[in-house]
Amino acid sequence: TQLLEQSPQFLSIQEGENLTVYCNSSSVFSSLQWYRQEPGEGPVLLVTVVTGGEVKKLKRLTFQFGDARKDSSLHITAAQPGDTGLYLCAGSHASGGSYIPTFGRGTSLIVHP
Amino acid sequence: DSGVTQTPKHLITATGQRVTLRCSPRSGDLSVYWYQQSLDQGLQFLIQYYNGEERAKGNILERFSAQQFPDLHSELNLSSLELGDSALYFCASSASSGPRETQYFGPGTRLLVL
Repeated sequence: TQLLEQSPQFLSIQEGENLTVYCNSSSVFSSLQWYRQEPGEGPVLLVTVVTGGEVKKLKRLTFQFGDARKDSSLHITAAQPGDTGLYLCAGSHASGGSYIPTFGRGTSLIVHP
Repeated sequence: DSGVTQTPKHLITATGQRVTLRCSPRSGDLSVYWYQQSLDQGLQFLIQYYNGEERAKGNILERFSAQQFPDLHSELNLSSLELGDSALYFCASSASSGPRETQYFGPGTRLLVL
């Protein structure tokens, strides 16, 4: 079983603070994705990273894929209440000609105004 | 709105019963994925269909089955329901099949087994 460990599990911060969420695995992934999920809704894709060492920026969000493609991080600068949600990382690994998606347990972020 | 629809939105049933969850993918998407999300297990991949055929299988119980129809909508059948099957069930769709495909998730079906 390919496991993705996310940390921290919970994060409660004030508006304007910076934060980093981590996603780690002992396995190599073909690609890694970050999603954000709000209560009562399905996850929404934020970014896909595919190359070891890759860095992608999405406004105040910076995503990094580890050199060995086993870990990733999400950094949010100057967090806003609208960033509140569950952040999930997901990796896909090849298995018998298909790809099996695996999700981390998520980081629940609350940003207080 | 992701363009993926799921029905019903809520479902309450009893142990031992059988239910069917339905998913309509985004227009043009050929792949459908089913996931189960619970507080203790997180989001678990169940099964994927691509253009009517099973493509990948995850942690799907034998009591559960799915299919994708010629019009590309999909159904997830859950039988001999147990209390532990209570969870959110999500369907997602993507244009094709592969690790880099963007999956668009539906709003989910909340299942409560009493």
